[in-house]
Formats: sequence, structure tokens, C-alpha cells
Amino acid sequence: EIVMTQSPATLSVSPGERATLSCRASQSVSSNLAWYHQKPGQAPRLLIYGASTRATGIPARFSGSGSGTEFTLTISSLQSEDFAVYYCQQYNNWATFGGGTKVEIK
Amino acid sequence: EVQLLESGGGLVQPGGSLRLSCAASGFTFSSHGMSWVRQAPGKGLEWVSSISATGGSTFYADSVKGRFTISRDNSKNTLYLQMNSLRAEDTAIYYCAKIAVTGMWFFDYWGQGTLVTVSS
Repeated sequence: EIVMTQSPATLSVSPGERATLSCRASQSVSSNLAWYHQKPGQAPRLLIYGASTRATGIPARFSGSGSGTEFTLTISSLQSEDFAVYYCQQYNNWATFGGGTKVEIK
Repeated sequence: EVQLLESGGGLVQPGGSLRLSCAASGFTFSSHGMSWVRQAPGKGLEWVSSISATGGSTFYADSVKGRFTISRDNSKNTLYLQMNSLRAEDTAIYYCAKIAVTGMWFFDYWGQGTLVTVSS
């Protein structure tokens, strides 16, 4: 099983600032990496797939990068609606999720 | 508009059974693989099971293999998850999710989830 590790567990950021979230795979997943965010009481929403392709309707302030075992999600200027929990997920070999990064208001 | 509506959750005793359903609309259901993903209270996401578009191939996480069965009825646009021999650790919100691209298990649409509580 491929283990996905996200860091940090919690990220405190002020609105308008940049946020950088990390995700590491225990073995290479090529570019088969997706990012989701989840707000309290809601289902997850797909943000990024293929490590760097934004899903339909996702604003350009969200960007993804990386390949192999190291991945990054960057939110260039945090808006109020972006404070949520973010999950990475590999789909190179079935599907496994990281433990999540909570982005909270500083 | 794609919609996924889960039902069938509830309180069940350890060792009991439950069948979840997911009614799909807004897309060609028979053309897409589907999955179940769960989330224990206050915890992260865990992939549970997937099924191919035709239903001919099924896949399970080790934690549920031999106890859960995924199936689908393409004539009814409905996905199912039969859960037997339930344990306390199966307590979670269960989401059905649409596989975006055949062979690539990332999920472009999710239902709102149904809560399963396993407790005596």
C-alpha cells in the first residue's frame, strides 16, 4: 500500500497570504496525484488532478506541482472560503489519501 | 448537474448488516466507475471500494475485504454497498464518489454522505 504523508498538520495563515501544503508518497506515484478540500459538514471537492491540472471551476489561485514522491499545493492569496482541510490522494495504485492539512485563520 | 444521493445509513449493532445506496443523476452512469469512500468521525478519508462501469470488476480495501460487497444497477442508475459483519471501526460517514476517468481513481463528484454508526 502506498502511504501518503501530508505536512504540516495545521497551517495558520492570514487572509490574502500565500499557503504552501506538502504531500509525500512512500513510493513513486508519477503524476497520479489529486488534491481536495473539505469544509466542515460538507463532502470533499476536487481541486487538482494529474498533480497540476485544475478541476472545472477551480480558481487560478490554486496550483499544484510535483511528480514522483513530492507534491505541493499552493494557494496564492487565501480567501475566506479557502479555510478548510486539504487532502492529497494518489491514484497510481488504487487509491490512498493523506491525513490532511487544516488551513486555519491566523 | 451531477447529483449523487446516498441513503441507507443508520445505527446497527456490531456483527450486523446494512446496505447503502447511491442514486446518481446528471451523467451517463453506465459509463463511469464508482467508489465508496468513508470518513470516521473527526478523521481523514479512507477509500473503501470501487467498481467498474459495467460492474464486472470490483476492488476492496483490505479493511473491508470479505465483509463488504459493492454492486451497481445501471438500469436504475444506482450504486450499492452491502456491509456485513460490521465492527465499531466501520463507524463513519460513507460517501459515494464518481470516478472521473476510467482507470484513474480520482473523484470529480461526491455525494453528501450517509452516516453509519456501529454500536451496541
